[in-house]
Amino acid sequence: QQQVKQSPQSLIVQKGGISIINCAYENTAFDYFPWYQQFPGKGPALLIAIRPDVSEKKEGRFTISFNKSAKQFSLHIMDSQPGDSATYFCAARQFDRGEYGNKLVFGAGTILRVKS
Amino acid sequence: GAVVSQHPSWVICKSGTSVKIECRSLDFQATTMFWYRQFPKQSLMLMATSNEGSKATYEQGVEKDKFLINHASLTLSTLTVTSAHPEDSSFYICSAPDRRGNTDTQYFGPGTRLTVL
Repeated sequence: QQQVKQSPQSLIVQKGGISIINCAYENTAFDYFPWYQQFPGKGPALLIAIRPDVSEKKEGRFTISFNKSAKQFSLHIMDSQPGDSATYFCAARQFDRGEYGNKLVFGAGTILRVKS
Repeated sequence: GAVVSQHPSWVICKSGTSVKIECRSLDFQATTMFWYRQFPKQSLMLMATSNEGSKATYEQGVEKDKFLINHASLTLSTLTVTSAHPEDSSFYICSAPDRRGNTDTQYFGPGTRLTVL
């Protein structure tokens, strides 16, 4: 059962355009939603993250939009550059400080290619 | 952000041998670390949760005797692939949550590419 559904599977955007990746979840106990960027042969790197009490968070060219009622969140990459070409993963976590670890549930990933 | 390292970055071994992969949190302590496996063009698959001072917690379908996990200290977890076979060839990635403050942000290592001949 896929707890976090991510779309599209792949995306091609022109340089300077806006890249949009969407994720949806079912578990209302999730309380933290990070996005990770992964280049081939490398580990994922945290890009930006949001908590459900905020509807939008912006860091540079990257923005997360969060819709709690719809249980959806999305990543917007403004002014997309060829260097942004990578695989992007959304994730969700149910936090419990008493537990040994708070697992992340990952989406299937989106392969982004920015054409120059 | 916090730094997590892995060693080695790649390893090639013969079928039947054992391979150890190290995961270290360099600038913070981690009572918990996570081990993932990733196949080409696929998402990260959580294998197990490594717990300092206690046994690891394995995800359903992951063989405990095949993938041995030891959380030796607050900054080091090791994954040993025992009697490796070609089907164990994969990209193995660890992560550690940084619990300083109240963030609990997970940082990933650079990954280890295992090729079993």
